Amino acid sequence: DQQVKQNSPSLSVQEGRISILNCDYTNSMFDYFLWYKKYPAEGPTFLISISSIKDKNEDGRFTVFLNKSAKHLSLHIVPSQPGDSAVYFCAQLYNQGGKLIFGQGTELSVKP
Amino acid sequence: DTAVSQTPKYLVTQMGNDKSIKCEQNLGHDTMYWYKQDSKKFLKIMFSYNNKELIINETVPNRFSPKSPDKAHLNLHINSLELGDSAVYFCASSHEDSSYEQYFGPGTRLTVT
Repeated sequence: DQQVKQNSPSLSVQEGRISILNCDYTNSMFDYFLWYKKYPAEGPTFLISISSIKDKNEDGRFTVFLNKSAKHLSLHIVPSQPGDSAVYFCAQLYNQGGKLIFGQGTELSVKP
Repeated sequence: DTAVSQTPKYLVTQMGNDKSIKCEQNLGHDTMYWYKQDSKKFLKIMFSYNNKELIINETVPNRFSPKSPDKAHLNLHINSLELGDSAVYFCASSHEDSSYEQYFGPGTRLTVT
């Protein structure tokens, strides 16, 4: 049973527009939500996090929103750039031991 | 400088063999992890070690045994390889206090024939 779900396997966006990646979760007992980005043949890289007590965190072009009542997380990228094309994973962190529970990923394609 | 390195990058072997994957990090982190990404692209944690001590051991078969000779290394040994072990294995590391930011290695693609 998947605790963290990314229901869109892929997303295509025009350069300069907003990319919105979504994530749903079932277990509310966590400390952080994270987004990781992965290029082909590389390991995931940390992108941005949000604490369970916040509802928004912003870092440059990247903003993560947490809606605890809906158990929903989203990542906004504005403006989108071709270099943003990658697979994006959302993940929950259970702080004991640093256990990350990942979604199945959404492949973002930003077209020039 | 490579922060988290894994060797080998590719590993092709036959069923029943025993193999090891090595991982090293030069970031001074005290916690290291092994993740498995299967054919459906799900990325799942297998083990985590903090200061050479096993912290997380998910429901992984006993054929998988992690070994941490020191804080900078976490190796994964797999006995009696099976077809279902074919996957990409990622090593990662972090500071204990900021485990949300894990640094991943490039992965080892294991193919069992």
